[in-house]
Amino acid sequence: EADIYQTPRYLVIGTGKKITLECSQTMGHDKMYWYQQDPGMELHLIHYSYGVNSTEKGDLSSESTVSRIRTEHFPLTLESARPSHTSQYLCASSGRQEPSYEQYFGPGTRLTVT
Amino acid sequence: AQTVTQSQPEMSVQEAETVTLSCTYDTSESDYYLFWYKQPPSRQMILVIRQEAYKQQNATENRFSVNFQKAAKSFSLKISDSQLGDAAMYFCAYHQNRDDKIIFGKGTRLHILP
Repeated sequence: EADIYQTPRYLVIGTGKKITLECSQTMGHDKMYWYQQDPGMELHLIHYSYGVNSTEKGDLSSESTVSRIRTEHFPLTLESARPSHTSQYLCASSGRQEPSYEQYFGPGTRLTVT
Repeated sequence: AQTVTQSQPEMSVQEAETVTLSCTYDTSESDYYLFWYKQPPSRQMILVIRQEAYKQQNATENRFSVNFQKAAKSFSLKISDSQLGDAAMYFCAYHQNRDDKIIFGKGTRLHILP
């Protein structure tokens, strides 16, 4: 079954630790996105990719980095986590052809930095 | 720049009643897509309904329908026969053709009263 996966679902980590949030999709989508969302609040685009070896920064400045070495995989890394990074991180993907302009979302990773 | 405005941060509706969520957007494009997404508490964001701007007919999906007024740049969502499972954050979204991004509104939290 085609889907989009995120791991871990929940992460509590101390300040200064390096973390990587995983995102994978099995739909063969070219485009992938990372959003940051505080609970019950709006989504902020922080990174996106149009395909392998393509990454762009989103509308909200973020200290995180991303990579896109494989079509299906779009991990997000924080080199040194801080309490201000506490949030929910949503990964999404979309296909090349319409009507696939819609984005498909993963379940999210809820990150708490202590 | 394109913007999406949801003027109702929260709404409540009695179970089995009908509710309409408002959305307006600003764009200079003539051809675009509009979406309503649903994000239940602690659950995955899913697409509720999609509207192509070149189609005059309003989209419907079971109990969900839209009122698309292109000239007024309005895109409201009507939920008929509201059910407890409809309780969620609802995001109105606009697909931006020039860079293939989706612009999200700030969301409307919908409460269903039993």
